[in-house]
Amino acid sequence: AQSVTQLDSHVSVSEGTPVLLRCNYSSSYSPSLFWYVQHPNKGLQLLLKYTSAATLVKGINGFEAEFKKSETSFHLTKPSAHMSDAAEYFCVVSEGQGFSFIFGKGTRLLVKP
Amino acid sequence: DSGVTQTPKHLITATGQRVTLRCSPRSGDLSVYWYQQSLDQGLQFLIQYYNGEERAKGNILERFSAQQFPDLHSELNLSSLELGDSALYFCASSAIAGGPDTGELFFGEGSRLTVL
Repeated sequence: AQSVTQLDSHVSVSEGTPVLLRCNYSSSYSPSLFWYVQHPNKGLQLLLKYTSAATLVKGINGFEAEFKKSETSFHLTKPSAHMSDAAEYFCVVSEGQGFSFIFGKGTRLLVKP
Repeated sequence: DSGVTQTPKHLITATGQRVTLRCSPRSGDLSVYWYQQSLDQGLQFLIQYYNGEERAKGNILERFSAQQFPDLHSELNLSSLELGDSALYFCASSAIAGGPDTGELFFGEGSRLTVL
């Protein structure tokens, strides 16, 4: 069975400092993993996805994530936070070519000036 | 623009009423998902349809129902509304069957329902 755990419900960083949003997953098969971002009163937008190609995945807006099978982790990082990164981030696992998607509970990122 | 269209964007109604939310998936996507997002429950999966057939069910109340039509658009019907049904309802679609977008969910902007 699949599951996703986002280890922090809230993360606060200063503008210009690195961002780390943590995600652990459980999956019986080779999963596809995604990070989505949701800005206030908006729909969810795909940041990046891992589908068994390169383990280091680059996404939009300078974000990247590394798939670590041994640690069952898919943490999201960005070298330097920008005020516009303030949003909620969801880690998602999928098996079987997208028939089911399991969402984490989300991490709210606050960026301080 | 994700290509997924949801109407209406905002809806205000009274307890006990019934509403219908509509979703047009991305062109060519066969699968439609409905999610409910509220402050206390977070993002909850309600139901999934694939090419007109119900594929998976999540935390959907019996007062709620959905269907996917032959043109692949979907409707979510919410009846006997309660204050607690106030939430943002998202529709998402995915291709599933091959191509670079396979397995990726595309979300609409959501329908915000307020029950007074």
